[in-house]
Amino acid sequence: AQTVTQSQPEMSVQEAETVTLSCTYDTSESDYYLFWYKQPPSRQMILVIRQEAYKQQNATENRFSVNFQKAAKSFSLKISDSQLGDAAMYFCAYKAGANSKLTFGKGITLSVRP
Amino acid sequence: GAVVSQHPSRVICKSGTSVKIECRSLDFQATTMFWYRQFPKKSLMLMATSNEGSKATYEQGVEKDKFLINHASLTLSTLTVTSAHPEDSSFYICSARVDATSTDTQYFGPGTRLTVL
Repeated sequence: AQTVTQSQPEMSVQEAETVTLSCTYDTSESDYYLFWYKQPPSRQMILVIRQEAYKQQNATENRFSVNFQKAAKSFSLKISDSQLGDAAMYFCAYKAGANSKLTFGKGITLSVRP
Repeated sequence: GAVVSQHPSRVICKSGTSVKIECRSLDFQATTMFWYRQFPKKSLMLMATSNEGSKATYEQGVEKDKFLINHASLTLSTLTVTSAHPEDSSFYICSARVDATSTDTQYFGPGTRLTVL
């Protein structure tokens, strides 16, 4: 069974600084998809970034980028120039092929210090 | 694009009553919708997967007679909590998927907070 591990329950970052959130996963599949979702206090889940496992290039979305290490089964999220609005719970998620479901990690609470 | 709505956003009901939560995809047709439950500061727990026009597939441990799911159209799925009890109080989130291809992405609704007195 696929598992997603987020070992850090909480992290804090100074505004304008960079922070990296870690995520590891376990799978026997060779083709899959990885996601980072953000859940702010409003509880609305927002897709931050997506990575296809077959792509070697790390996905980037503005201030958000990932470090995808397929051999190590690691998928960390880097937030650059942190803003107060980045404060939220972040979930790493895994999805295998078609018709499969998302498997979420336990999440990490990120706080941003002004 | 890819907006999912839920209604109501918050509901309080008495123990023993039933509550219906609606999930709509506003600007796309969703072949598959998912229902999750989330406790405070915890991850999302998948309850069931519903495909339009067919019976929902429930995760292990989820009572299908208690949590009735109907996916009558490509834009609407409903979750009915029957004979609700205080332990059913939780945050319920739906998500919708456009198609079953490998590149699809799930879009989430804003959630419904259910409080059973």
